[in-house]
Amino acid sequence: NAGVTQTPKFQVLKTGQSMTLQCAQDMNHEYMSWYRQDPGMGLRLIHYSVGAGITDQGEVPNGYNVSRSTTEDFPLRLLSAAPSQTSVYFCASRDGLAGGMEYFGPGTRLTVT
Amino acid sequence: AQSVTQPDIHITVSEGASLELRCNYSYGATPYLFWYVQSPGQGLQLLLKYFSGDTLVQGIKGFEAEFKRSQSSFNLRKPSVHWSDAAEYFCAVGDSNSGYALNFGKGTSLLVTP
Repeated sequence: NAGVTQTPKFQVLKTGQSMTLQCAQDMNHEYMSWYRQDPGMGLRLIHYSVGAGITDQGEVPNGYNVSRSTTEDFPLRLLSAAPSQTSVYFCASRDGLAGGMEYFGPGTRLTVT
Repeated sequence: AQSVTQPDIHITVSEGASLELRCNYSYGATPYLFWYVQSPGQGLQLLLKYFSGDTLVQGIKGFEAEFKRSQSSFNLRKPSVHWSDAAEYFCAVGDSNSGYALNFGKGTSLLVTP
């Protein structure tokens, strides 16, 4: 049982490049989410999904796309990277839709130059 | 608007001293509340959670928290801090009215001195 895995651990992009951050969980959780963490800002929700085929926006969705074709995977796509997207990104899955415990991945540190 | 406030950005305590980290929330419905800890360069680990029932909840690593509805607070406490407790602590809140999303506070950074 690997829990929540994220790849890559580190990434450097140039402005305007696109990339996909991968997230997978092996706990059969319906709910998955993406957060970004910036100094002094805590964690802010980007997108979330309550099941395969269902996604919704969080607090800071602009510049990011998600899809959920399977229960296990929830990739986050940066369409055209900007320096403002330099951040640490965490994927999480939850055991239950409301009030369940959130399991976090180890994070991806992204730098956009 | 729903919000979560951690009033203290940084807290410094001596090893062996007691600790209290504050968390206040503004939610209309009965919330469910969490405390997470993040060590440098690591992901987040759940310390404890409150959904209902006993308002004093026990967590891992000797932490506890008390839900006080009248004060809209969920403060985290530990009677005797260890040097390994130095980390960033996040309070998170959700409720049935906000759908399924959790709202995180901005965090409190704990420094433990010898």
